[in-house]
Amino acid sequence: EPEVTQTPSHQVTQMGQEVILRCVPISNHLYFYWYRQILGQKVEFLVSFYNNEISEKSEIFDDQFSVERPDGSNFTLKIRSTKLEDSAMYFCASSGGGGGYNEQFFGPGTRLTVL
Amino acid sequence: KQEVTQIPAALSVPEGENLVLNCSFTDSAIYNLQWFRQDPGKGLTSLLLIQSSQREQTSGRLNASLDKSSGRSTLYIAASQPGDSATYLCAVSPGGGADGLTFGKGTHLIIQP
Repeated sequence: EPEVTQTPSHQVTQMGQEVILRCVPISNHLYFYWYRQILGQKVEFLVSFYNNEISEKSEIFDDQFSVERPDGSNFTLKIRSTKLEDSAMYFCASSGGGGGYNEQFFGPGTRLTVL
Repeated sequence: KQEVTQIPAALSVPEGENLVLNCSFTDSAIYNLQWFRQDPGKGLTSLLLIQSSQREQTSGRLNASLDKSSGRSTLYIAASQPGDSATYLCAVSPGGGADGLTFGKGTHLIIQP
């Protein structure tokens, strides 16, 4: 069964460094998303992407964040200058495979630790 | 702004019981509602999706209902098993396409063997 994959599973970085989180969405999906979950808190929407551009973004998704679909399979989230408060689990999701109802399917997540 | 609340926050029951998890949302203008399962340190597994025009959906021992006008959904788990132990999340979408989901904080469920 097709699934969303994410790499790396765990990323440790120093404050102020740039990180790139990678995702491979389900191949026939059209919509791609990033969410984050700070430990013990709700899953929060960051950004959605469709037709090679950002479709919607939350207040969390400020100028420090960017997304890109560099080729036909990968979808990336870049944090330019990480802060301690960026430590969280980051989930990629995809939807819109033609089956209707826009069910979102999530990857296993990347745990980002900022020291 | 949409707010999603899940009650109870935690639940511990013996194996074999039927149980109900509750989800409420403040803005009834939703497109669909999804229930997810999250195991510790893992990703989210989609369990059921209910369109706003539907009243319920069933998958195996799971049944989800939706009362859009009152802003409520329930997830019914029949004949619970220890393997059902996980956190169950409810999320709503305001529209189709690339709209982001708004999540509740979840119900942490423990099924005692």
